[in-house]
Formats: sequence, C-alpha cells, structure tokens
Amino acid sequence: GIQVEQSPPDLILQEGANSTLRCNFSDSVNNLQWFHQNPWGQLINLFYIPSGTKQNGRLSATTVATERYSLLYISSSQTTDSGVYFCVYRSYGQNFVFGPGTRLSVLP
Amino acid sequence: DAGVIQSPRHEVTEMGQEVTLRCKPISGHDYLFWYRQTMMRGLELLIYFNNNVPIDDSGMPEDRFSAKMPNASFSTLKIQPSEPRDSAVYFCASSMTGQTEAFFGQGTRLTVV
Repeated sequence: GIQVEQSPPDLILQEGANSTLRCNFSDSVNNLQWFHQNPWGQLINLFYIPSGTKQNGRLSATTVATERYSLLYISSSQTTDSGVYFCVYRSYGQNFVFGPGTRLSVLP
Repeated sequence: DAGVIQSPRHEVTEMGQEVTLRCKPISGHDYLFWYRQTMMRGLELLIYFNNNVPIDDSGMPEDRFSAKMPNASFSTLKIQPSEPRDSAVYFCASSMTGQTEAFFGQGTRLTVV
C-alpha cells in the first residue's frame, strides 16, 4: 500500500505562534483528509482536500497531488489546538489509512 | 444527523468476559468501519462493511473478535473472551459511496483488567 509520512512527529508551540504540518505520500492519492484528535480522543474532520487549498478560520490546508504532499497551516495557535493531527487517505480497497500523526502541544 | 454514535463510551471488564461494542452509522452511509487505536500501533483498521456485508476483515486480530452488521443502522464488535491486551480505544466510522470523507464516532475506551 501507499506509505504515509508526517512531519514533524512532535511540535511544541507557544500560544499565538504559527505552524506548518506536512504529510508525504509514496504514491499519488486522489483523496485526502486532515483530522484532529483532541486530548479527549475525539477525531474531528478538519478538511477534505484532494487538491488545491482550503481555509477554515485559523486553519488552512494545501494539497499538491502531483508532488504527493499536503500541508496543514495553523495560524495564531491556541491551547485548544493541542492534540494529534492525522492525514488520511482512502485506499483503492476503500478503507481509510491513517498517517502516524503529528502531536502538537500549544503552551499558554 | 447526530453523527456516528458509539456505545458505551467507556467499558471496564475483567479478563475472560465478553465485551460488545455498538455503533450506529450516519443515516444513508453505506460503508462502516471499525478501527482500534493503541499507543503502540496507532489507528488500525479491524474490519469494514459495505451495504451490511463484511468486505475486509483481515485486520481482525484473532478469532476472539467478531463483527456483525444486521442492518444499515447498527453494527456490533464483540470480543469473547477478552484479554488485557485488547485494552484500547475502538472507533467506528461511516462513509458513503461517491464520498471520500470518513466520519468517526467518539470511540469506546475499553479496559480489560
């Protein structure tokens, strides 16, 4: 199957800082989602972003499918942004495959 | 729609007991997935259904695990007998043909002592 890498694995920010999370794929994917798992364990859909750029408040995402990567931008980070961020693609077998995640800690 | 609903949210049981986890997918979704999340292995797919039929159960760890989907609005994941190494958070997710987004329930945190 397609290999997924996420970087960095861990990130610590001061509240108000900006950050960029990256997801790389070993082959092209025609769909991609970003999820946030909050400290209570809940998985929250952030973006469905097979290509192009989307923005939602302080978060935005860009996928360049031809170059096999996606970026998630967090601006003016808040403590509530803490948790793990996963990129996820849907395989040809129809199941959803998760990357290893980036663990973000935003300090007050 | 209330989203994907899982029950119970937390389950503590003794080794050897039977455990049943429940999931109600989003109405109209024809795919249902069961995932398990542990610190060691991350999120791994156990089984998924399409139109109530199991399609891929290669992730089910062993015969102690079984899953059913008797109708489009309900699925169960059963562990019998349970073991301490089954302790994890179990997620259910649903999706629709033609969509490539997955929607997850809040998970069931299982502790086997």
